[in-house]
Amino acid sequence: GAVVSQHPSRVICKSGTSVKIECRSLDFQATTMFWYRQFPKQSLMLMATSNEGSKATYEQGVEKDKFLINHASLTLSTLTVTSAHPEDSSFYICSASPMAGEKLFFGSGTQLSVL
Amino acid sequence: QKEVEQDPGPLSVPEGAIVSLNCTYSNSAFQYFMWYRQYSRKGPELLMYTYSSGNKEDGRFTAQVDKSSKYISLFIRDSQPSDSATYLCACHSGGGADGLTFGKGTHLIIQP
Repeated sequence: GAVVSQHPSRVICKSGTSVKIECRSLDFQATTMFWYRQFPKQSLMLMATSNEGSKATYEQGVEKDKFLINHASLTLSTLTVTSAHPEDSSFYICSASPMAGEKLFFGSGTQLSVL
Repeated sequence: QKEVEQDPGPLSVPEGAIVSLNCTYSNSAFQYFMWYRQYSRKGPELLMYTYSSGNKEDGRFTAQVDKSSKYISLFIRDSQPSDSATYLCACHSGGGADGLTFGKGTHLIIQP
């Protein structure tokens, strides 16, 4: 299957700092990437859809200014959690689909802990 | 009512047993059905991908879709402790990966 790389796998930061998470499609181009958030023992919650060369589409209740998404190339999308607070601590996962198909491939996830 | 319903479990079975995981859905427009396996603190891994009704087999895994009853299943034969994970079903109506709807996931435990 297609490979999606996500970094870092784990980050611990102080409250008030910003954290950037990278998501790369290694062997395919992705015009669209997706960012999910997952709390312990909960399902995936779609946060936003990242579109190459245009603004991201955010799900209801997700703060655009809090979670900045940049999709500058066909293989890279970044999620920046700005002014992180302890309640932002969660597992963040990106995904992408080759050729806008229905199969979605996921990165390995980033565990964010805000102290 | 959520679009995709899945029992969160946990489901605990002995090693070697046949495991049956299920989801129901309400949106008749769904055409594509997927099963993902997720280990703790890892991203989901695509296991099975099925279009429309029917069965699909891959090694010890069989995916089954019954569109008439809006019911999808994943069977695992000769279950192994390494199969212990959370299994998520996902449905899609087509036309691109946006709009993929996930179930909550079933936590499966295979007892050695």
